[in-house]
Amino acid sequence: DGGITQSPKYLFRKEGQNVTLSCEQNLNHDAMYWYRQDPGQGLRLIYYSQIVNDFQKGDIAEGYSVSREKKESFPLTVTSAQKNPTAFYLCASSLSGQSTDTQYFGPGTRLTVL
Amino acid sequence: AQSVSQHNHHVILSEAASLELGCNYSYGGTVNLFWYVQYPGQHLQLLLKYFSGDPLVKGIKGFEAEFIKSKFSFNLRKPSVQWSDTAEYFCAAIPYANAGNMLTFGGGTRLMVKP
Repeated sequence: DGGITQSPKYLFRKEGQNVTLSCEQNLNHDAMYWYRQDPGQGLRLIYYSQIVNDFQKGDIAEGYSVSREKKESFPLTVTSAQKNPTAFYLCASSLSGQSTDTQYFGPGTRLTVL
Repeated sequence: AQSVSQHNHHVILSEAASLELGCNYSYGGTVNLFWYVQYPGQHLQLLLKYFSGDPLVKGIKGFEAEFIKSKFSFNLRKPSVQWSDTAEYFCAAIPYANAGNMLTFGGGTRLMVKP
């Protein structure tokens, strides 16, 4: 069953703690992305990676960090520096990162910081 | 900076009504345009996309969209909606020359279709 998996579906953390969201894909895609979805604001790009061991900041990278050690994995860490971390986080991938590529999305992780 | 606007945040229709969801983008050059849909409890998925050629593009489930360059618009249409079309719809754009596939999304439109 090919696709993108994100875990966990729901995540609760105390304020001041770092938390890492998992994203795995078995589509053999080169490019991967992290978005944050807030009501009425659509999706905003946090980070993206077009190739292993390389990644670029998106529009709202402050307070977040990523790594891309393997092609199939692109974990996102929400650090204590992120001022408003409670949100729905979506991971996506595309074949090569070209502007014409379709992005395929995972089911998302809803993070609540208490 | 590039932006995408969806003017209708919530739309409520009865089954068999016609649908048109507005989308405007702000980039002046060549753009690639997409409509994504998020059904309740499901992944965000592609409905249709436009790169070049015929400005009227057809997607899945009877949806279509028309690219009007002079109006910077890419409105989504469906002649007759069904209850199963209840979902949130997102318009997205990216400059053709963008090297990083950094999509800009609109704020989304929640569609509710009453049976």
